Amino acid sequence: AQTVTQSQPEMSVQEAETVTLSCTYDTSENNYYLFWYKQPPSRQMILVIRQEAYKQQNATENRFSVNFQKAAKSFSLKISDSQLGDTAMYFCAIYNFNKFYFGSGTKLNVKP
Amino acid sequence: DVKVTQSSRYLVKRTGEKVFLECVQDMDHENMFWYRQDPGLGLRLIYFSYDVKMKEKGDIPEGYSVSREKKERFSLILESASTNQTSMYLCASRGGVFTGELFFGEGSRLTVL
Repeated sequence: AQTVTQSQPEMSVQEAETVTLSCTYDTSENNYYLFWYKQPPSRQMILVIRQEAYKQQNATENRFSVNFQKAAKSFSLKISDSQLGDTAMYFCAIYNFNKFYFGSGTKLNVKP
Repeated sequence: DVKVTQSSRYLVKRTGEKVFLECVQDMDHENMFWYRQDPGLGLRLIYFSYDVKMKEKGDIPEGYSVSREKKERFSLILESASTNQTSMYLCASRGGVFTGELFFGEGSRLTVL
């Protein structure tokens, strides 16, 4: 079974600061993908960043980067230079065998 | 530009009614998914379809059925709506052979009275 745990239901950060969202997961598979999705208020969910489990190098997309610790089954998201538009629900997800498993989400509020 | 369209953003139905939630994607994706989103529970998979007329149960299929007669359309059916099915329903299609990235619709918020 695959499980994804996001232990921070809600977080706040000041504009221009850096924030890290935590995610741990459990899987017995060796090959899988990990994702962070963003759901802005009343808007559709979009992909933020993805990581292939076989890659040791941490993925980076502009201000978004991950800290992937495969042995610890940890996949945290770091947002640098936070912007007001980063205010959203963030979901961590694991994918393999045609299925995605999502965490419960972290609500991030960026304050001006 | 990729697009997943859900037919209704907001619905209000009565207990016992039959409810249809429609989802259409224009990306020629083979895989489509229906999720239910509830606060504190994240997204839970109801059903997914990996091809036309093919479907597979997810983690919470009870009380739901699906239909996929055409590749671009995936429907979620509540045969007899109940109040515990009040929720946000998200449709998604899967793109990319290797990455498995999901593309989501805007969601359908269903209230069952």
